[in-house]
Amino acid sequence: AQTVTQSQPEMSVQEAETVTLSCTYDTSENNYYLFWYKQPPSRQMILVIRQEAYKQQNATENRFSVNFQKAAKSFSLKISDSQLGDTAMYFCAFMKHNNDMRFGAGTRLTVKP
Amino acid sequence: ETGVTQTPRHLVMGMTNKKSLKCEQHLGHNAMYWYKQSAKKPLELMFVYSLEERVENNSVPSRFSPECPNSSHLFLHLHTLQPEDSALYLCASSQEGTGGYEQYFGPGTRLTVT
Repeated sequence: AQTVTQSQPEMSVQEAETVTLSCTYDTSENNYYLFWYKQPPSRQMILVIRQEAYKQQNATENRFSVNFQKAAKSFSLKISDSQLGDTAMYFCAFMKHNNDMRFGAGTRLTVKP
Repeated sequence: ETGVTQTPRHLVMGMTNKKSLKCEQHLGHNAMYWYKQSAKKPLELMFVYSLEERVENNSVPSRFSPECPNSSHLFLHLHTLQPEDSALYLCASSQEGTGGYEQYFGPGTRLTVT
């Protein structure tokens, strides 16, 4: 079974600074998808960024980027120029092709003014 | 808004009650999901429906009964629940077959079992 580990239960960062959230996963598959989701307080979970395992290039979405290390089974999220609205729970997720998405336990990020 | 709605947003029920959670997606997706989110635990996938057929049932107790009458609607029928079933129940949808596979989540139903 695939497992996803987020080793940082809580993190904080000063506004405008950069923060990196860690995620590792365990799988024997070669083709799969990785995601970062954001769940703001009392709001819906939304997709931040995704990465296809067959792509070597790291995905980027504006201030959000990933460092995908396939051999190390690592998928970290970097948030640049942190904003107060980035305060949320962040979940790393792994999925094969069969809709079975596995989530990590989450990292609570607080952006401080 | 993600295009996935859930009702009710909050529900308090006794252990002998019967209630239902409703999910509706307005995205034209063909797969829908129920997840359970408990404090300090990873999201637990409960049920998956693809093209209105159940394709996944992750050892969920029979006191949870899903129903998918069409591709836009998903229900979770609840009966004789236990206090440990108190959690946030999330619905999600996705479009199979076109790649991407990202799931779109609803706001959740906060369930409290007394």
